[in-house]
Amino acid sequence: NAGVTQTPKFRVLKTGQSMTLLCAQDMNHEYMYWYRQDPGMGLRLIHYSVGEGTTAKGEVPDGYNVSRLKKQNFLLGLESAAPSQTSVYFCASRRGQGPLNAEAFFGQGTRLTVV
Amino acid sequence: AQSVTQLGSHVSVSEGALVLLRCNYSSSVPPYLFWYVQYPNQGLQLLLKYTTGATLVKGINGFEAEFKKSETSFHLTKPSAHMSDAAEYFCAVSDDGGANNLFFGTGTRLTVIP
Repeated sequence: NAGVTQTPKFRVLKTGQSMTLLCAQDMNHEYMYWYRQDPGMGLRLIHYSVGEGTTAKGEVPDGYNVSRLKKQNFLLGLESAAPSQTSVYFCASRRGQGPLNAEAFFGQGTRLTVV
Repeated sequence: AQSVTQLGSHVSVSEGALVLLRCNYSSSVPPYLFWYVQYPNQGLQLLLKYTTGATLVKGINGFEAEFKKSETSFHLTKPSAHMSDAAEYFCAVSDDGGANNLFFGTGTRLTVIP
């Protein structure tokens, strides 16, 4: 059972380049999330999805797009990378609503540097 | 709206001493509360959670936390620090409505001094 897997683990981009980060979960979870982690700021929610085919904006969505075409995958896209998007990106998933489903499971992170 | 405040971005304790990491939350509805731990270059791992029921919750690695509604707090404690506890700790809040989004505090880096 792999849990939540993020691809790639590291990437360096030039300003203006585009890329897609892939998140895959094998737990049949309904909800998936993308966060970014910056020093001294904790984790901030970029976008999230409450089910296949749905997406919604989080706290810091500008400059990012997402898609959830399959239940197990949640893609995060950067159309034109900027140095301000240098960060560590985390994907997370949770089963659904209710106290028994409250725990979120996290991937290992993607360290992105934009030069 | 929900938010979390973690007091102290860095905490140092001696090995064997009490660990106390502070977390206060703001929520307009009954909250779910979490503590996650992050070791260097790794993802986040759940230490413990409060959703309903008993307000004193025990987690992994000897940690525990108490939900105090009157104080809007969820402080994390461990009676005796171990070197392996050195990590960054995040408090988070969510609720049972909508997408159950997790809102994180800014984190507390724990250093354990031998």
